[in-house]
Amino acid sequence: LAKTTQPISMDSYEGQEVNITCSHNNIATNDYITWYQQFPSQGPRFIIQGYKTKVTNEVASLFIPADRKSSTLSLPRVSLSDTAVYYCLVGDLYNDMRFGAGTRLTVKP
Amino acid sequence: DVKVTQSSRYLVKRTGEKVFLECVQDMDHENMFWYRQDPGLGLRLIYFSYDVKMKEKGDIPEGYSVSREKKERFSLILESASTNQTSMYLCASSPTGTTEAFFGQGTRLTVV
Repeated sequence: LAKTTQPISMDSYEGQEVNITCSHNNIATNDYITWYQQFPSQGPRFIIQGYKTKVTNEVASLFIPADRKSSTLSLPRVSLSDTAVYYCLVGDLYNDMRFGAGTRLTVKP
Repeated sequence: DVKVTQSSRYLVKRTGEKVFLECVQDMDHENMFWYRQDPGLGLRLIYFSYDVKMKEKGDIPEGYSVSREKKERFSLILESASTNQTSMYLCASSPTGTTEAFFGQGTRLTVV
């Protein structure tokens, strides 16, 4: 199983772009990279999933370099409501859903 | 919308009791998961199931068992509850072929 490493916490200000990087040096060929967001007292919520290069949706972008040993979640123009814990997961598409400790993002006014 | 429903939001049980946590999903998903979440430890996978009557151990299965008799229902069983099983328990489901899982609201279990 590919192990992931993320920063424990990050601070940002409203309106800034936030980039959270995840390291996964032993990612396997069949593995995808997925990011989740979790607010206090709620279950995690899917943000984005990718395999290589760049993926963008209405919420975020995911950048994956060619070697796939890391990935970066980019949140454009964050607001106070983006304060949450963000998890990076690496695994295949079938049933590998192991979370790490996540990154606690605090957005300040 | 996909809905994953956990039977209780809060639960208080006594040490030694057998505890059942129920989870039901309404989207015909093949995969179902049970996690526990403790401060500073993120989500830890207890068990998962990729089909009816199938189960796989996660990272911390000790002290727990599971049952999946029907596709939509995945039960977590604490055979003999202990105080170190006081935690937030989260259930999730996902279809095969994606890592997009849908989570329930969680059950905060306190064992006294």
